[in-house]
Amino acid sequence: AQKITQTQPGMFVQEKEAVTLDCTYDTSDPSYGLFWYKQPSSGEMIFLIYQGSYDQQNATEGRYSLNFQKARKSANLVISASQLGDSAMYFCAMREINTGGFKTIFGAGTRLFVKA
Amino acid sequence: GAGVSQSPSNKVTEKGKDVELRCDPISGHTALYWYRQSLGQGLEFLIYFQGNSAPDKSGLPSDRFSAERTGGSVSTLTIQRTQQEDSAVYLCASNRGDSQETQYFGPGTRLLVL
Repeated sequence: AQKITQTQPGMFVQEKEAVTLDCTYDTSDPSYGLFWYKQPSSGEMIFLIYQGSYDQQNATEGRYSLNFQKARKSANLVISASQLGDSAMYFCAMREINTGGFKTIFGAGTRLFVKA
Repeated sequence: GAGVSQSPSNKVTEKGKDVELRCDPISGHTALYWYRQSLGQGLEFLIYFQGNSAPDKSGLPSDRFSAERTGGSVSTLTIQRTQQEDSAVYLCASNRGDSQETQYFGPGTRLLVL
């Protein structure tokens, strides 16, 4: 069964510093996709970045990058040059492509606090 | 273009009543998803539709929960005989059905069962 684990309930980072949010996953499907979403206090879910299991390079989107270590089954999100507006909940999610259809499961989330 | 919309935005009901939550996906999106998010928690998968059919209903918590989708567009999530533990935000999302594509989320319906 697919499983997503985010072990950091809360994280603090100083403005302009980089921060890494951890995510590990478990699946037996060789074909899967990993997603990160941001949820500010307003409640909307904002897509940040995607990594496919067969992608050779780590995904990057602006200040967001995904540190994909396939053998360790980890997909950590790195936010560079943190901004006050980055304070939010962050969710890691996984979709098993061969066996899961379009079902996507989410981790419990990490709440990030950016300090001025 | 218009995003995913959900109605109502807030719903307060009494224990034992039935409620219907509506989701209007982005036009042309064939896949539609329902999630539940309890306060301070992650998203719990409920059900997804491909067109009008629901290949995976495994996340529905009990037989009090049901969902349907008509015309490959609007979906309704129905909760019968609501319980206090049903209180949560119910999120709907849609996409074109590409396995590598993100889901586009609606603003959610906040349900409070008294």
